[in-house]
Amino acid sequence: DQQVKQNSPSLSVQEGRISILNCDYTNSMFDYFLWYKKYPAEGPTFLISISSIKDKNEDGRFTVFLNKSAKHLSLHIVPSQPGDSAVYFCAASINQGGKLIFGQGTELSVKP
Amino acid sequence: ETGVTQSPTHLIKTRGQQVTLRCSSQSGHNTVSWYQQALGQGPQFIFQYYREEENGRGNFPPRFSGLQFPNYSSELNVNALELDDSALYLCASSSFSTATYNEQFFGPGTRLTVL
Repeated sequence: DQQVKQNSPSLSVQEGRISILNCDYTNSMFDYFLWYKKYPAEGPTFLISISSIKDKNEDGRFTVFLNKSAKHLSLHIVPSQPGDSAVYFCAASINQGGKLIFGQGTELSVKP
Repeated sequence: ETGVTQSPTHLIKTRGQQVTLRCSSQSGHNTVSWYQQALGQGPQFIFQYYREEENGRGNFPPRFSGLQFPNYSSELNVNALELDDSALYLCASSSFSTATYNEQFFGPGTRLTVL
């Protein structure tokens, strides 16, 4: 039972363009969503989060959008840089309870 | 500020053996969570410890057990290892008392191979 899904295993984008990573969830009880970035041989690094009471959160080049009616969130990276090449995971939790449910990840490749 | 550290980096065991993985939390954090990441998958929640007590558990059998120590460091123990236990084991720490509780900070992981 995959409650958080990232349906695109990989994404390739040109440097300077926008990267859009998508995530769908099934459990309407989720109230907090996070994006993590992971480089090989390192642990996931927290990027940005959003509470279910918001529909957008911005931090520099990174913006997360939440569409509760569609149970969908997306991460926008503008402009994309080669250093952004990594695997991106979305995660969700209930009642900020600490247990994170992760998607399968999307590998982003930003080409110079 | 010291980040989350894990030891060992890599480990090879045979089926049926037992293994202990270790984690040191980030300074100031009082909660530790453990995750298993199989190849090509996202991390899966094993359990969480707060104030040395288990504070939530995922869908893992009892042969996965843990400890949290007064200094907030933690151990993950796996008994009767199976081939499917081969994975990257990630430890994450967070601070229960702050508004950023959910923002867990991960260590680099321990790569366990069961032969």
